[in-house]
Amino acid sequence: DAGITQSPRHKVTETGTPVTLRCHQTENHRYMYWYRQDPGHGLRLIHYSYGVKDTDKGEVSDGYSVSRSKTEDFLLTLESATSSQTSVYFCAIRGDRAGSPLHFGNGTRLTVT
Amino acid sequence: AQTVTQSQPEMSVQEAETVTLSCTYDTSESDYYLFWYKQPPSRQMILVIRQEAYKQQNATENRFSVNFQKAAKSFSLKISDSQLGDAAMYFCAFTQRGGGGADGLTFGKGTHLIIQP
Repeated sequence: DAGITQSPRHKVTETGTPVTLRCHQTENHRYMYWYRQDPGHGLRLIHYSYGVKDTDKGEVSDGYSVSRSKTEDFLLTLESATSSQTSVYFCAIRGDRAGSPLHFGNGTRLTVT
Repeated sequence: AQTVTQSQPEMSVQEAETVTLSCTYDTSESDYYLFWYKQPPSRQMILVIRQEAYKQQNATENRFSVNFQKAAKSFSLKISDSQLGDAAMYFCAFTQRGGGGADGLTFGKGTHLIIQP
């Protein structure tokens, strides 16, 4: 299995509080991704990174920011959590070769009350 | 923008039978990759199979095979000899080849597969 770890695994937070989710990889891959999964929507891309300090927005980036200061770590921040951000968040990595599959972490279930 | 459509929110099959999950996609690209992922109740996302659009041969992985119809933009997954452990959500996904695919995969909404013992 690809070495990718997400933390925390579960989190409950209140509306308006900041939240940071962490993704850590040991594969030295350049590409990293944050997705959210909601019933009836599949997985939707929030942000992605193609190198240290190189990030870009995905389909559903509003309300989220990311940072990547090291190859191995990709952080997702909700500056002020809202109930609509209650979801399961997945981090994924992939190799440089075109068409490489994504390898996913185990996900973080975030509940915003 | 590419879109991926899975028209079957839920499918049910008897154990040991064969089931086919449908997936269609829309793209103007000619070179791309398609994937099927499985998500069991554990929530883990597991790669099932991968298809390169420029290869006409359908990909197979043990009991899993695809029917890739490029002109029809169809990419269905066939599971033979269904087992209880196949029960899961199945997601179809697409990525284009050009530009290195830095923008990741586009996923369908998923099909929930139930295996009847």
